[in-house]
This record gives sequence, structure tokens and C-alpha cells, in this order.
Amino acid sequence: GAVVSQHPSRVICKSGTSVKIECRSLDFQATTMFWYRQFPKKSLMLMATSNEGSKATYEQGVEKDKFLINHASLTLSTLTVTSAHPEDSSFYICSATILAGGKTDTQYFGPGTRLTVL
Amino acid sequence: KQEVTQIPAALSVPEGENLVLNCSFTDSAIYNLQWFRQDPGKGLTSLLLIQSSQREQTSGRLNASLDKSSGRSTLYIAASQPGDSATYLCAVRDSNSGYALNFGKGTSLLVTP
Repeated sequence: GAVVSQHPSRVICKSGTSVKIECRSLDFQATTMFWYRQFPKKSLMLMATSNEGSKATYEQGVEKDKFLINHASLTLSTLTVTSAHPEDSSFYICSATILAGGKTDTQYFGPGTRLTVL
Repeated sequence: KQEVTQIPAALSVPEGENLVLNCSFTDSAIYNLQWFRQDPGKGLTSLLLIQSSQREQTSGRLNASLDKSSGRSTLYIAASQPGDSATYLCAVRDSNSGYALNFGKGTSLLVTP
């Protein structure tokens, strides 16, 4: 099956630093990747949709200057949390879609990255 | 805006029992509905995906049903095992919001030996 990896799996940083999280589709090309965040005992909330070669589309309430997304290739998308603060501490999960056209498209999820900002 | 609700929030059952997890959604204009499993601190594993034209999907001991008109789905787990302990998430892909998924908060399942 399709595999999506994330790196790092866990990161602890000081307040004010920037953190980059990578999302890779290992055995398929994904023209679209999604970034979600999940707070403890809460649902996954979509942050942004990332299309290869174009600017990401951010959900309402998500600061695009704080959460920088780059999707430079069909197998890699990165999320950079700039000037991280403790309230940014969360579980970040990416997913990637194999576009086969229409309703059958499936999202494959990465294992997630636990960010802790001290 | 699509809202997805899962009931119960938590469930504890003895090994061997059959159980049902419930998911409801407010907007019936969906492409598909998907059930995921999430282990603590881990990512998501897709269990079953039901297209809007389908009524149910089965995989091993799992059976998921979809009643689009009433905005409901159920995940049936037969002969539960301790290894089934995890959080089960229901997610809906709307017809008019691209590929993004709307998730419920999940049902935390504990199967005791």
C-alpha cells in the first residue's frame, strides 16, 4: 500500500524558534497533500491544502505567515512553524492523495509529528 | 459547515463482545465516509472507506454501514480483541469541499482481557 512518512516524529524546541516538518510520499506521487493538527482528545483539524507547485490554501483561522507550507515536488511537502510558542504544541499529521480522478481518491496519512514548545 | 459527531466518546468492553460505534454528520452531500484507527501518539490507519453510493463495506471482523440520507454511519466490530483497543475516527469527505476530510472527535475503545 501507499506509504507516507513524516520527519521528525517528535521535536522539542524553545519558544521563538522555527521548526520544519517534512511529509513524504514514499512510493507514489501525490499532487495534493494536507496538513492537520490534533490537540489532546480533540479531532483532527485541517490546517491547509498543499498542491505541488502552487501556494497552499489555508483554512479559516490558520495564519499562513506562521505556518509556512512548501510543496516543491510530487513527493515532498514541508510545514514550517515559525517563531513557535507553547500554544503551537500539538500533534501535526500530513496526508497525501493519489489522484485517480473523482470519488475513489484516497488519502494516506503519515505517522504524525509531536511538537512540544517549551 | 459539515459537523461530524461520534458517540460514544469512550467505550470499555470485555474481550469477545460485539460492539457498534456511531458516527453522524450534518450535511448529506458527501463523496465518501471513512473509518480510521489511531493508536496513542500515532498516525491514522484507514480501516474502511464507503463511497456515497454504497451502503456498507466489510473487512474481516469490521463492517461499516452508511445511511447518507439520515447522515449516519456505524462501525461494527465482531468478537472484539484487546488488540482492537484504540481510538476510532470517522471522517467525511464533502462533495463541495475538495479532498479535505472532516473528522469526528473519535471513540476511545478499550477491550479488556
